[in-house]
Amino acid sequence: GQNIDQPTEMTATEGAIVQINCTYQTSGFNGLFWYQQHAGEAPTFLSYNVLDGLEEKGRFSSFLSRSKGYSYLLLKELQMKDSASYLCAVMDSNYQLIWGAGTKLIIKP
Amino acid sequence: GAVVSQHPSRVICKSGTSVKIECRSLDFQATTMFWYRQFPKKSLMLMATSNEGSKATYEQGVEKDKFLINHASLTLSTLTVTSAHPEDSSFYICSARRPGRDYEQYFGPGTRLTVT
Repeated sequence: GQNIDQPTEMTATEGAIVQINCTYQTSGFNGLFWYQQHAGEAPTFLSYNVLDGLEEKGRFSSFLSRSKGYSYLLLKELQMKDSASYLCAVMDSNYQLIWGAGTKLIIKP
Repeated sequence: GAVVSQHPSRVICKSGTSVKIECRSLDFQATTMFWYRQFPKKSLMLMATSNEGSKATYEQGVEKDKFLINHASLTLSTLTVTSAHPEDSSFYICSARRPGRDYEQYFGPGTRLTVT
């Protein structure tokens, strides 16, 4: 079956760095996505990785290892507004998104 | 960037009535739209894939007669929840795929449905 695993909840301090991990097993692979979702709102796109390596975009970076079925989202210089759920999703061979359950990130002052 | 709208953003209806939710792609023609459902503190669950001009493809366990999907044009897909019950209360989100760019999906803002 298809499976996406990520931690349920993480806590970090304002100004610090946090890494959210995601492991996956899917039928086919056409890329891995990270989305941010604030409570009561739709997901917003953060990053897309299809090749191995690190993609950096401002305070956010995303890493992918296809051989290990592993990705992480790295958030630097955390701000209170980064408190949200972070969803890992993999696009399978049919170009459908398979979603993880999301990681709720709590930022403390 | 691409914009996808949903209407209404919130709706409260009585049990037994039907509710229609619209999803529009505002600046591109979407041959494929997706409908998701999300329960509190849970991830998105794909309900169906809507292709313009053809019948929607429903995921296993989703009742076709209860969740009617119509993709009447390249910019509009509708989801009708028929004979709604309290257990249908949820957050419904649509997304649209830009033609030729299979890896991109643009999400609407979502519709909060409450059935009393």
